[in-house]
Amino acid sequence: AQSVTQLDSHVSVSEGTPVLLRCNYSSSYSPSLFWYVQHPNKGLQLLLKYTSAATLVKGINGFEAEFKKSETSFHLTKPSAHMSDAAEYFCVVSVVTGRRALTFGSGTRLQVQP
Amino acid sequence: DTAVSQTPKYLVTQMGNDKSIKCEQNLGHDTMYWYKQDSKKFLKIMFSYNNKELIINETVPNRFSPKSPDKAHLNLHINSLELGDSAVYFCASSQGGSGSGYEQYFGPGTRLTVT
Repeated sequence: AQSVTQLDSHVSVSEGTPVLLRCNYSSSYSPSLFWYVQHPNKGLQLLLKYTSAATLVKGINGFEAEFKKSETSFHLTKPSAHMSDAAEYFCVVSVVTGRRALTFGSGTRLQVQP
Repeated sequence: DTAVSQTPKYLVTQMGNDKSIKCEQNLGHDTMYWYKQDSKKFLKIMFSYNNKELIINETVPNRFSPKSPDKAHLNLHINSLELGDSAVYFCASSQGGSGSGYEQYFGPGTRLTVT
């Protein structure tokens, strides 16, 4: 079985300050991990993915995430928040089996204050 | 070109009606999915088709029936709509290969409102 826990349902930062969105996962197999972003009334866009290569993964729009097996974590960070980063962020786990399904976390709403 | 498209974008209908949502992908992927996003933004897999074969059928009412006429299309038909079916439905697709982690590409969503 696999599961994802996003530790914060809501994060508020000021523009220009760092962003940290926390995610812990549970998986019986070696997982693939993703972060997706959903802007208001939009679909989901892939930010970045970890698939057992480098543990520090760089994504689009300056985001990056570090896979830490010992902590079962995959936190998303960005050095400096922009107003356009305000959105819902989902941490997602996938197990390489025949199912191919993604298991989504409950989401973290990022608010960016001017 | 849109990679994963869904129609309609909005669907408002009355309880008891039957409706369909269509999904098409032009990525050449071999697997397609339907997800339901509830009012609290939680996303849950409903169905998955690989090469037109059903591989995931989560616990959803049998009023929901997916149909895949070919690898590029996966439609969702819903019978006897209920208030609780109101949600945003997302279609997605992926291509096999462990190197990709089966990353999925999502359509823009269909907001279904049942009155």
